[in-house]
Amino acid sequence: TQLLEQSPQFLSIQEGENLTVYCNSSSVFSSLQWYRQEPGEGPVLLVTVVTGGEVKKLKRLTFQFGDARKDSSLHITAAQPGDTGLYLCAGDLRETSYDKVIFGPGTSLSVIP
Amino acid sequence: NAGVMQNPRHLVRRRGQEARLRCSPMKGHSHVYWYRQLPEEGLKFMVYLQKENIIDESGMPKERFSAEFPKEGPSILRIQQVVRGDSAAYFCASSPSNGRNTEAFFGQGTRLTVV
Repeated sequence: TQLLEQSPQFLSIQEGENLTVYCNSSSVFSSLQWYRQEPGEGPVLLVTVVTGGEVKKLKRLTFQFGDARKDSSLHITAAQPGDTGLYLCAGDLRETSYDKVIFGPGTSLSVIP
Repeated sequence: NAGVMQNPRHLVRRRGQEARLRCSPMKGHSHVYWYRQLPEEGLKFMVYLQKENIIDESGMPKERFSAEFPKEGPSILRIQQVVRGDSAAYFCASSPSNGRNTEAFFGQGTRLTVV
């Protein structure tokens, strides 16, 4: 059972277009993180969102945490080829005495020049 | 992800051999997590360790897989008698603590190929 779902699974767009990817769960997270992973490399943290309804911006990337802290979205404005990569969301489940981070399956983004 | 060192980057093993994957966390980090990733998939949690302690190994197969994080030296993920299905990228991440919302940093991974 996948605790975190991501959609779409694959996305191929032209340079300059806008896009949104989604991360959804039935579980409540104390925080949620977005990572980008390039081929052959480890994931790199982009942002952490903590408060329900929180919006964070990182240049052309806008991240939003759902009010109920069960979902999140990543919006990219005017996509560039350098945005190509696997975007992973990860939720922080505080089920026990420590934080347990689980990952979604990822959205593979390809931006065509 | 600078600072978390994994080696080797690539490892080829024949079926039945042992694979040892090493992870040196960032300086000052005492918490290590191991994840496994298959092509086109996300990361699957395997094990969470603190120095000399396994905290959560719920994601690790009960047989052939083991992990340790000794007082001195790197964390080791060991896979005995490897099979083709063990072929994957294995990533470790480290964090300075396990307080709420602590960020973890990833290494570049070890790509294991079993032939």
